[in-house]
Amino acid sequence: EDQVTQSPEALRLQEGESSSLNCSYTVSGLRGLFWYRQDPGKGPEFLFTLYSAGEEKEKERLKATLTKKESFLHITAPKPEDSATYLCAVGAAGNKLTFGGGTRVLVKP
Amino acid sequence: DTGVSQDPRHKITKRGQNVTFRCDPISEHNRLYWYRQTLGQGPEFLTYFQNEAQLEKSRLLSDRFSAERPKGSFSTLEIQRTEQGDSAMYLCASSFRRQGARANEKLFFGSGTQLSVL
Repeated sequence: EDQVTQSPEALRLQEGESSSLNCSYTVSGLRGLFWYRQDPGKGPEFLFTLYSAGEEKEKERLKATLTKKESFLHITAPKPEDSATYLCAVGAAGNKLTFGGGTRVLVKP
Repeated sequence: DTGVSQDPRHKITKRGQNVTFRCDPISEHNRLYWYRQTLGQGPEFLTYFQNEAQLEKSRLLSDRFSAERPKGSFSTLEIQRTEQGDSAMYLCASSFRRQGARANEKLFFGSGTQLSVL
């Protein structure tokens, strides 16, 4: 069974204090590692897809990386508007995503 | 691109009542997914459609749950005889799957329907 574990569960950062979120996964036949951002009361919003180990993608202050067992989401010099829950998910055969529990990030000014 | 729309945004019902939720996907998308999310957890897969065909259902989807996507457009999710354990956010997502694609495509989520069963 596919499994995704995210750590830490919650992260409090000062504005400008860079940090990393971890996503560990086990899946048979990875067909994509997805990162989503979710604001309170809203649905997840797509950020990145990574397909193979060594791949990296960037968007503004966010950078996602992928190894064979983990993915990291690096937040560089975060701003208060980066406060959200960040969800990691793996796609495998069967066309569904298996999500982790998320990391709640709070960036204080 | 008007995004994925879900209706209603909130639903409060009494235990034992039936409820129905509607999802309107992005118009050119051929796939539609239903997920359920409880507080502090990630979304859990319930079912998905390719056009009008329901191709997979999770073990989480008991006999009280039924989903339809007539004519491959909007979808409805009905819960019969609701229980307090059904209280959750029900999320709909859509995507466009290219024929022959092997990798999973990104999903576009709606804002969800928050169900509270009293």
